[in-house]
Amino acid sequence: SQQGEEDPQALSIQEGENATMNCSYKTSINNLQWYRQNSGRGLVHLILIRSNEREKHSGRLRVTLDTSKKSSSLLITASRAADTASYFCATADNQGGKLIFGQGTELSVKP
Amino acid sequence: KAGVTQTPRYLIKTRGQQVTLSCSPISGHRSVSWYQQTPGQGLQFLFEYFSETQRNKGNFPGRFSGRQFSNSRSEMNVSTLELGDSALYLCASSREGLFGRAETQYFGPGTRLLVL
Repeated sequence: SQQGEEDPQALSIQEGENATMNCSYKTSINNLQWYRQNSGRGLVHLILIRSNEREKHSGRLRVTLDTSKKSSSLLITASRAADTASYFCATADNQGGKLIFGQGTELSVKP
Repeated sequence: KAGVTQTPRYLIKTRGQQVTLSCSPISGHRSVSWYQQTPGQGLQFLFEYFSETQRNKGNFPGRFSGRQFSNSRSEMNVSTLELGDSALYLCASSREGLFGRAETQYFGPGTRLLVL
């Protein structure tokens, strides 16, 4: 079963613009992770944020986590055509080996 | 370091047959998790193995099973295949973190199974 919702389901922007994706979840978590998937291939790990963290940066990526609202957001700044992909959030409990995924956001970045 | 590898990459089977998929984790990773991805249900957790023991199990019927070997390589098996088992099967490995908790999961390219 899915953990929660991702919003929007699809997003189309121009190169150079910022892209923001939101994720909500239902249960308590140990950490939340964001992944990228290109055209039905394997998932690429982008960033992990722990439940006691509020914000994390990695290159052009910025992730926030609000455990009181059970939500997270992923911001990609200065988007490139190569960022076109599906983006998934996934939550992990204290054991960690089981990720529960959202349904994903399809991002299209037009050159 | 070599990434997670999965074999075969593509597979076509008919209903009623059984299939075995293989996953080799990143060297040093002892946790291996399996996921099924379909357009309708999205990404769903199948099971996790750690040190040759199933540590976590998703909500799938008993036709789906797995195992892990002493070198951490893992296999999953689906018996009596149904049309709805057509999916991308993804394997992920992770190293042991604090208190034995699996950390970031690194995914393989997946095995695309088509059941006719």
